Amino acid sequence: DTEVTQTPKHLVMGMTNKKSLKCEQHMGHRAMYWYKQKAKKPPELMFVYSYEKLSINESVPSRFSPECPNSSLLNLHLHALQPEDSALYLCASSQDDRVTEAFFGQGTRLTVV
Amino acid sequence: LAKTTQPISMDSYEGQEVNITCSHNNIATNDYITWYQQFPSQGPRFIIQGYKTKVTNEVASLFIPADRKSSTLSLPRVSLSDTAVYYCLVGERVTGGGNKLTFGTGTQLKVEL
Repeated sequence: DTEVTQTPKHLVMGMTNKKSLKCEQHMGHRAMYWYKQKAKKPPELMFVYSYEKLSINESVPSRFSPECPNSSLLNLHLHALQPEDSALYLCASSQDDRVTEAFFGQGTRLTVV
Repeated sequence: LAKTTQPISMDSYEGQEVNITCSHNNIATNDYITWYQQFPSQGPRFIIQGYKTKVTNEVASLFIPADRKSSTLSLPRVSLSDTAVYYCLVGERVTGGGNKLTFGTGTQLKVEL
């Protein structure tokens, strides 16, 4: 199984809502990542978890809150988002945080209204 | 920070070999060079990774000169399905652990009949 599964595939939320994006992998990978991608732009790194601990936070606003409950799961909690936060949110995993071969999910297309 | 620079776009025809060059003048001694492919509305997919000289797999070849300040991804005999964005990444080790996989602007490859 070389899949990274993200749910939901699409999400529409209001600016006062609270929602969560989920990511799951069963490859035994110990590093997991969240990226944000706007249309026609490259993915932007948001967070890196290494062995279930947050190792990199790219100065992401606090309305985005990551969580790694165990080595297979990664969540991104969303609260009080703005319309400009609408984007494709990608989750990825790699064997560990020294490896540059990462496996990406299909992403969650988020629209904030 | 080993920033990468690539051509914004390239055009080719089916059956041709395509070479995409990436410059990374500030690459660190321990950094690897990695290439990803991305189709619209999908997550990036790992293509190839290298440290120096030449690496080849079933999909592509990666050429890295001795000074490692640039690299060239070679796609043999492209087909229409190779139309995608290709990203060159240089892993950046950070204090406290973690490997930042930072995407550059990417090269949009368009393959025509």
